[in-house]
Amino acid sequence: KNQVEQSPQSLIILEGKNCTLQCNYTVSPFSNLRWYKQDTGRGPVSLTIMTFSENTKSNGRYTATLDADTKQSSLHITASQLSDSASYICVVSRYSSASKIIFGSGTRLSIRP
Amino acid sequence: NAGVTQTPKFQVLKTGQSMTLQCAQDMNHEYMSWYRQDPGMGLRLIHYSVGAGITDQGEVPNGYNVSRSTTEDFPLRLLSAAPSQTSVYFCASSYSSGPSGANVLTFGAGSRLTVL
Repeated sequence: KNQVEQSPQSLIILEGKNCTLQCNYTVSPFSNLRWYKQDTGRGPVSLTIMTFSENTKSNGRYTATLDADTKQSSLHITASQLSDSASYICVVSRYSSASKIIFGSGTRLSIRP
Repeated sequence: NAGVTQTPKFQVLKTGQSMTLQCAQDMNHEYMSWYRQDPGMGLRLIHYSVGAGITDQGEVPNGYNVSRSTTEDFPLRLLSAAPSQTSVYFCASSYSSGPSGANVLTFGAGSRLTVL
């Protein structure tokens, strides 16, 4: 069964600290993996997109990694800011069409001052 | 600003009532889709369209209808609302629905629907 599982479900850290969010998937055939950020009351916004051949991709203080062999991805946030408080959603696409997109349930991150 | 516009933002319905959630995009995107987001669950695809005049069912299509008469608009219709349809609905669009699936979805701000 094609699934995307994220951990932890929720996380609270102090401002300025680093954190890492995990995503494990069983989607096949794999096309790409995207991380989205969803602020409360808003739609998700794409942070990074990674294809099979990419291991690491950075977007400012966000760094995503992908291990296609173990089917795991992580999103590392460096020097967290209050504005990083949001849900982070891992999304995996199957190599068929845009209709075959599987969403994880997200990690809710709270940054405390 | 270019993007995906959804209306209304909030709506309360009684069981059995009908309504339409509107979605419009001004980016000339080929692909449009509707998702619902429920607590503790990932976004689930309701219906999608790969171009004007072409629609197809997603993962949870029951109770919903769609049409795509223009590239810009993709309304979602609830014909007879049920409490199980209480959710937050997101419309999303993408430049292409090509097999690489490498396109980034642009989401609307969401529509929160409560069915009593």
